[in-house]
Amino acid sequence: NAGVTQTPKFQVLKTGQSMTLQCAQDMNHNSMYWYRQDPGMGLRLIYYSASEGTTDKGEVPNGYNVSRLNKREFSLRLESAAPSQTSVYFCASSRDIYEQYFGPGTRLTVT
Amino acid sequence: QKEVEQNSGPLSVPEGAIASLNCTYSDRGSQSFFWYRQYSGKSPELIMFIYSNGDKEDGRFTAQLNKASQYVSLLIRDSQPSDSATYLCAVCGGGFKTIFGAGTRLFVKA
Repeated sequence: NAGVTQTPKFQVLKTGQSMTLQCAQDMNHNSMYWYRQDPGMGLRLIYYSASEGTTDKGEVPNGYNVSRLNKREFSLRLESAAPSQTSVYFCASSRDIYEQYFGPGTRLTVT
Repeated sequence: QKEVEQNSGPLSVPEGAIASLNCTYSDRGSQSFFWYRQYSGKSPELIMFIYSNGDKEDGRFTAQLNKASQYVSLLIRDSQPSDSATYLCAVCGGGFKTIFGAGTRLFVKA
């Protein structure tokens, strides 16, 4: 039982490049989330998926897109990376609206 | 703008003491309250949740909720050096959007 897994762990992009962050969970949770964490600002919700087939915007969705591929997988795409997107990205999952379980994070630097 | 406020710290306590971490929130409709622990360079880990006014105890941890004052706290009894971490307060208004505070850094001195 791996919990929530994320790939890659580290990534460096140049401004304008695109990439997809992958997330998978094996806890049979219905809901999945993408957060970013910046120093001094805590976790901010980018997008979430309440259940398979649905996605909704969070607090900071601009510059990102998501896909809920199936119940297990939820990906985050940066179409044209900007230095302001340098951050640590966490994926999380939960059973409905209860406590969330986080993946190990992806450290992204955009130069 | 819904907000969750925490003192950034660092809060420094001696080993064996009680550490008290506090959090206030702005949305009166909030229903679920969580405390996560995050070690440096690691992901957040849930340690406590509370839904009703009053106290909830789990081992050395006690969560306290006062909805009238929009205040939630975490007490750590018999603090250990291994408790040194950042503690994140999180508040959910009943939907899927959870708002996190910026966290309080706790340092337990051996």
